[in-house]
Amino acid sequence: EVQLVESGGGLVQPGGSLRLSCAVSGFTFSSYAMSWVRQAPGKGLEWVSAMSGSGDITKYADSVKGRFTISRDNSRNTLFLQMNSLRAEDTAVYYCAKGGSGATGTKAGFEYWGQGTLVTVSS
Amino acid sequence: DVVMTQSPLSLPVTLGQPASISCRSSQSLVHSDGNTYLNWFQQRPGQSPRRLIYKVSNRDSGVPDRFSGSGSGTDFTLKISRVEAEDVAVYYCMQGSHWPRTFGQGTKLEIK
Repeated sequence: EVQLVESGGGLVQPGGSLRLSCAVSGFTFSSYAMSWVRQAPGKGLEWVSAMSGSGDITKYADSVKGRFTISRDNSRNTLFLQMNSLRAEDTAVYYCAKGGSGATGTKAGFEYWGQGTLVTVSS
Repeated sequence: DVVMTQSPLSLPVTLGQPASISCRSSQSLVHSDGNTYLNWFQQRPGQSPRRLIYKVSNRDSGVPDRFSGSGSGTDFTLKISRVEAEDVAVYYCMQGSHWPRTFGQGTKLEIK
């Protein structure tokens, strides 16, 4: 059974930092691209970042470029999102999502999603 | 960025009746590999999103066959042949042919 479990969310002041984790099981983690997708309270879905299975390719939304860093530890089956210089508009539920294998990457969207972790940026 | 525009944003439907959601992209979604990466997701109240359809018309495992996807180029449609109570949700289209990946605004389906 595929499982994705996010952790690390919480309340942080503007300008602060937070590191999200996503522990996965049930598939060969290193073979699949992974993404972070967020959803502000009462709003729609926004893609944030993606990383290839090997970790050699990373992509970011313009809204987080230069502030957020995606990474993965394939030996620990874990995806990370380091979030720096946080702003009020980064307040959202952050979902970890499984992409496709090989060249498919995230083109076909995300077959599996975690339950999400809430990040609140407020003073 | 590719802008994904869904309509309607609110969709009241009578149980047992069909429903249709439109999704239009600001650029063609035909990828250089020849595939068209238009995907549909369902998000029920209080739940994480779930993929329903990938590459325009391919249903995910476990998705009822009353859901179908169609379209090409820049114009796509998600259809539900007969709406059931469990279909109450927000539906999103998402393009995977260009970076950054982008979602539509969402269409909220409710029972009339």
